[in-house]
Amino acid sequence: SQQGEEDPQALSIQEGENATMNCSYKTSINNLQWYRQNSGRGLVHLILIRSNEREKHSGRLRVTLDTSKKSSSLLITASRAADTASYFCATASTTDSWGKLQFGAGTQVVVTP
Amino acid sequence: DGGITQSPKYLFRKEGQNVTLSCEQNLNHDAMYWYRQDPGQGLRLIYYSQIVNDFQKGDIAEGYSVSREKKESFPLTVTSAQKNPTAFYLCASRAGGRTDTQYFGPGTRLTVL
Repeated sequence: SQQGEEDPQALSIQEGENATMNCSYKTSINNLQWYRQNSGRGLVHLILIRSNEREKHSGRLRVTLDTSKKSSSLLITASRAADTASYFCATASTTDSWGKLQFGAGTQVVVTP
Repeated sequence: DGGITQSPKYLFRKEGQNVTLSCEQNLNHDAMYWYRQDPGQGLRLIYYSQIVNDFQKGDIAEGYSVSREKKESFPLTVTSAQKNPTAFYLCASRAGGRTDTQYFGPGTRLTVL
């Protein structure tokens, strides 16, 4: 089952603009992760935020987590054409001890020059 | 050069045939995972393994089988019992313990003719 749901499903922006996508989930989590997938490729880990953290930065990425609303957002600042990809959130549930992740359906981001 | 490799990149199968997808990692990771991805969707967990000679069913294990005879290898067999096997298959590994990040291979695209 897919726990995370990303919004929007697709996003088209121009280079230099910011891109924001949201993820909602249903159960209690230990952490939430964001991954990027270029077309036809494997996923690449971007950032992990733990349940006791509210905000985290990595380069041009900013992630927020609101456990009371069971939601997270990923902000990509000053986007580049190379940021064109699908972005997935994945959650690690507190009830799982096997390291399993539940993935959302993803947000497809297109950055035009 | 450490990482996860999957082979082949593309695989074509006739209906009724079993096929085996290879996944190898040299990261010395304990845990390995197999996911299925359909167009425009997120990842769904097929099987996972935390240790050699042990594996567990994921959310969509029917029609699939795995083995974990070596730490580095986690092959997936798509059997003829899988009714709709055409998909993109991704293998991932995780260091284990409290490490939650998963590292993905490049994927195998399976098409049933």
